[in-house]
Amino acid sequence: DTAVSQTPKYLVTQMGNDKSIKCEQNLGHDTMYWYKQDSKKFLKIMFSYNNKELIINETVPNRFSPKSPDKAHLNLHINSLELGDSAVYFCASSQGAAAEAFFGQGTRLTVV
Amino acid sequence: SQQGEEDPQALSIQEGENATMNCSYKTSINNLQWYRQNSGRGLVHLILIRSNEREKHSGRLRVTLDTSKKSSSLLITASRAADTASYFCATDGMTTDSWGKFQFGAGTQVVVTP
Repeated sequence: DTAVSQTPKYLVTQMGNDKSIKCEQNLGHDTMYWYKQDSKKFLKIMFSYNNKELIINETVPNRFSPKSPDKAHLNLHINSLELGDSAVYFCASSQGAAAEAFFGQGTRLTVV
Repeated sequence: SQQGEEDPQALSIQEGENATMNCSYKTSINNLQWYRQNSGRGLVHLILIRSNEREKHSGRLRVTLDTSKKSSSLLITASRAADTASYFCATDGMTTDSWGKFQFGAGTQVVVTP
């Protein structure tokens, strides 16, 4: 059983398109995150949700909109994709905000 | 800016040798965590050490924390080819606006050759 699963694993799309990445966790955790990892492997937090409520929004362009329909899901919708959005996006979850995080396998987004 | 910074950026060792990498951070923390990332995969949690702890062990891994120097080290003993990966430290700050906001460094890339 995959603890944190995100889909799709790869996403290639043209500039200007809108796309979504889905994330689900079956660990019963109350906190979920989106991270962006750039080509130099820097991993930067984008959003954090605790019990479906947004608690961290790290100055991410408003083209990025997270949605948490329930505690087990945190989806990421991106409007008007730009070349600079190309990166690997990781979803993660933890029980409590300062605990061990479990990561998904990542979604490699390539904007052409 | 990145809170945690790993050093060295890259490390190449032979199987059986020990690998040591360091992490420095800038502000006071609640805890510090180490993660491993295999190529093309997600991060896997290794160890969490709290600010009031000085050392922790897990199998072949040993983590130390020196809050006075704002630094941590990860030691992998008797390394194996399967330890080839990037290793990241992540810190969780003590202020309310940094709570739950894991700050990662750029990682140390470890290559273990047979």
